[in-house]
Amino acid sequence: GIQVEQSPPDLILQEGANSTLRCNFSDSVNNLQWFHQNPWGQLINLFYIPSGTKQNGRLSATTVATERYSLLYISSSQTTDSGVYFCAVEGGNYGQNFVFGPGTRLSVLP
Amino acid sequence: DAGVIQSPRHEVTEMGQEVTLRCKPISGHDYLFWYRQTMMRGLELLIYFNNNVPIDDSGMPEDRFSAKMPNASFSTLKIQPSEPRDSAVYFCASSPYRGSPNYGYTFGSGTRLTVV
Repeated sequence: GIQVEQSPPDLILQEGANSTLRCNFSDSVNNLQWFHQNPWGQLINLFYIPSGTKQNGRLSATTVATERYSLLYISSSQTTDSGVYFCAVEGGNYGQNFVFGPGTRLSVLP
Repeated sequence: DAGVIQSPRHEVTEMGQEVTLRCKPISGHDYLFWYRQTMMRGLELLIYFNNNVPIDDSGMPEDRFSAKMPNASFSTLKIQPSEPRDSAVYFCASSPYRGSPNYGYTFGSGTRLTVV
């Protein structure tokens, strides 16, 4: 099946800093989502972004499907951004089966 | 909408007992997914339904696990008999159809299962 890698595995930032999280996938994908799991365990959908660029406040995401990667940008980070960021991809069978990457654990220090 | 609702939030049970986890998806969503999260394996898809019909259950670990969706507003995941290695957080998620303008997963809060 499709393989998903995320980097870096861990990231520590000072409040106010910017960061870029990367998701690489091994095969062509039809769809891609980014999620944030907060320290209380809740999974929040950030973006559905099979291609192109989207922005929502301080967060933006870009997917280049032909090159098999997606990037999540966090600007002016806040302590509430802490948690784990997951990339999930859906492969070519249109089965709506999203495979999750291992995540990037972000810690934003005050 | 209240979002995806899971119950119970926490479950502690003894090995060998039956466990039933419950999920109410968002009204109007066509798809329902059950995921399991562990430190070792991350988030794994167990099974998903489309319009109440199971489509892919290849992630269900073994025959001790079963899932049903008797109607559009309710699904259960049952483990019988439970084992300590089943301890994990179980998430339910729902989504509209792919062409929907608000397509994407919405997750419930999860059920933390501990089997002792």
